[in-house]
Amino acid sequence: GDSVTQMEGPVTLSEEAFLTINCTYTATGYPSLFWYVQYPGEGLQLLLKATKADDKGSNKGFEATYRKETTSFHLEKGSVQVSDSAVYFCALGFSGGYNKLIFGAGTRLAVHP
Amino acid sequence: EPEVTQTPSHQVTQMGQEVILRCVPISNHLYFYWYRQILGQKVEFLVSFYNNEISEKSEIFDDQFSVERPDGSNFTLKIRSTKLEDSAMYFCASSVIRDRFSYEQYFGPGTRLTVT
Repeated sequence: GDSVTQMEGPVTLSEEAFLTINCTYTATGYPSLFWYVQYPGEGLQLLLKATKADDKGSNKGFEATYRKETTSFHLEKGSVQVSDSAVYFCALGFSGGYNKLIFGAGTRLAVHP
Repeated sequence: EPEVTQTPSHQVTQMGQEVILRCVPISNHLYFYWYRQILGQKVEFLVSFYNNEISEKSEIFDDQFSVERPDGSNFTLKIRSTKLEDSAMYFCASSVIRDRFSYEQYFGPGTRLTVT
């Protein structure tokens, strides 16, 4: 079945370090891919998305490119801040509006000054 | 900015009791969802709801679960007889379709359900 695999956390970085969180997926068909972020005490917020192969999603300095050949959607940021500390979830979904999202296990990021 | 709200933020109940988790989706959204996250595990899909009926449900969503949109604003998840393994964070989400390939689900802050 369809699934998402994320690198395990926690990931601990110093401020201004480069971030990569790996995400790979297995899917039948052509899903859209998403990164959601959950800050402490809050709900899941959509960070970025890509709807087809080679699309790059970007937001708040984060980027991820939909790589169909490697079935990956790795999240990157060039210089993290303490305020980026959160749990990051990779997810896939299919067009149709009411289709479910399938999430990875989440990766906790801790950035220290 | 419009947001999905959920009440209560934390619910403690005894095994076998019924609980109702409440959600107010974003007002112009048409698609509604419930997900849950058992502590330390993945966020899992439970059910989607559109046009006053269930569109899809997972194997988790058995006869103990039900959903309802009792009025124009609320969307509820009922668990009839709670079990210890129902303890989890429950997230409500809603979405609207912009085009065939672009839709976003907006999530609420979650209700933490603890079954004792």
